[in-house]
Amino acid sequence: GAVVSQHPSWVICKSGTSVKIECRSLDFQATTMFWYRQFPKQSLMLMATSNEGSKATYEQGVEKDKFLINHASLTLSTLTVTSAHPEDSSFYICSAPTSGSRLTYNEQFFGPGTRLTVL
Amino acid sequence: GESVGLHLPTLSVQEGDNSIINCAYSNSASDYFIWYKQESGKGPQFIIDIRSNMDKRQGQRVTVLLNKTVKHLSLQIAATQPGDSAVYFCAESFTGGGNKLTFGTGTQLKVEL
Repeated sequence: GAVVSQHPSWVICKSGTSVKIECRSLDFQATTMFWYRQFPKQSLMLMATSNEGSKATYEQGVEKDKFLINHASLTLSTLTVTSAHPEDSSFYICSAPTSGSRLTYNEQFFGPGTRLTVL
Repeated sequence: GESVGLHLPTLSVQEGDNSIINCAYSNSASDYFIWYKQESGKGPQFIIDIRSNMDKRQGQRVTVLLNKTVKHLSLQIAATQPGDSAVYFCAESFTGGGNKLTFGTGTQLKVEL
């Protein structure tokens, strides 16, 4: 199947700093990518939809100024956690569908996740 | 970021037994459902999917059952193996939803030797 990578796999940062997480589709182009956050022992919660060439769409309750998303190319989306605080510590996962159709469901491939710890 | 006191439901089975993991979904407009397996510290891994025009689908050692009347989904794993130990999530999507997935709460499967 298609492969989605994330970098870094884990990061530790000080409170108040910003952290950038990359999501890449390695062998296919993705006009859309999704960013999820997962706290321990909980499910994946969709944060935002990253759209190549346009602004990201954020889910209700997600601060767009805090979680900056840039879909720089058809194979790369980045999530920047700005002014990170300990409560932002979580497992961040991206996914990408293999086709850009909005009319039918297209198989999604998930990245391996990025563990963010804010001290 | 951790919510104190929350625990995933846990299903413990003996190696070789069959496992049944259940999921309730809420959106009656959902017409596509997927089961994912997530091992500790990793991203979700696709197991099997089913569309709403079906009520059963079989894969290798896994079967998914869909009951649209009560909005219920189940995953059956035959001859459960230690490597099946993981957290299992159901996810739902709907046509025209832009490929967005809504995940269920998850079930921790523990396989005992």
